[in-house]
Amino acid sequence: RKEVEQDPGPFNVPEGATVAFNCTYSNSASQSFFWYRQDCRKEPKLLMSVYSSGNEDGRFTAQLNRASQYISLLIRDSKLSDSATYLCVVNRMDTGNQFYFGTGTSLTVIP
Amino acid sequence: DAGVIQSPRHEVTEMGQEVTLRCKPISGHDYLFWYRQTMMRGLELLIYFNNNVPIDDSGMPEDRFSAKMPNASFSTLKIQPSEPRDSAVYFCASSLHTSTDTQYFGPGTRLTVL
Repeated sequence: RKEVEQDPGPFNVPEGATVAFNCTYSNSASQSFFWYRQDCRKEPKLLMSVYSSGNEDGRFTAQLNRASQYISLLIRDSKLSDSATYLCVVNRMDTGNQFYFGTGTSLTVIP
Repeated sequence: DAGVIQSPRHEVTEMGQEVTLRCKPISGHDYLFWYRQTMMRGLELLIYFNNNVPIDDSGMPEDRFSAKMPNASFSTLKIQPSEPRDSAVYFCASSLHTSTDTQYFGPGTRLTVL
């Protein structure tokens, strides 16, 4: 079983829509959680960390459910510039602080 | 500030040839990571260094892969001999003081082995 699993999509949504991505992780020893964004043929960049209590950054909201071992990302009022691949990332202390990346969810925001 | 620098950006080589990928981390960052990204497997950690010392190389797929970090500002990932299945984008990333700090990725090297 993969450490991190994401629905690859693609998600095609109109401008202004709200879209949500989920990600599940397999190991309860996972300690830290992140969402990275990767534009086509570019490097991944940190979008936001995910905290246990949930956190918001502008139009983006991230939540963590440790009991069910999933992480979510909600994007409100989608912009064309939000089109990218969103990577879910977990960090495990028991494997030497390794980061495990999901294969990503593709989002296209349509005018 | 310059970000993580990788070279070459693109490499096309023939099976059996040696390939060397280079990385210059952000100045002052203690951690350096090498990743490989493919469509099928996503981003996979190959190896990471702390203060130039390899900490975990369990992701290195085979003995054909080796990585070095001779000083704080330079690292190499070498594949010898290369095989078509090594074709992927190889990213180098660095982080400041811990392995859980934000990782800053370089632009990647797109490797094609014919």
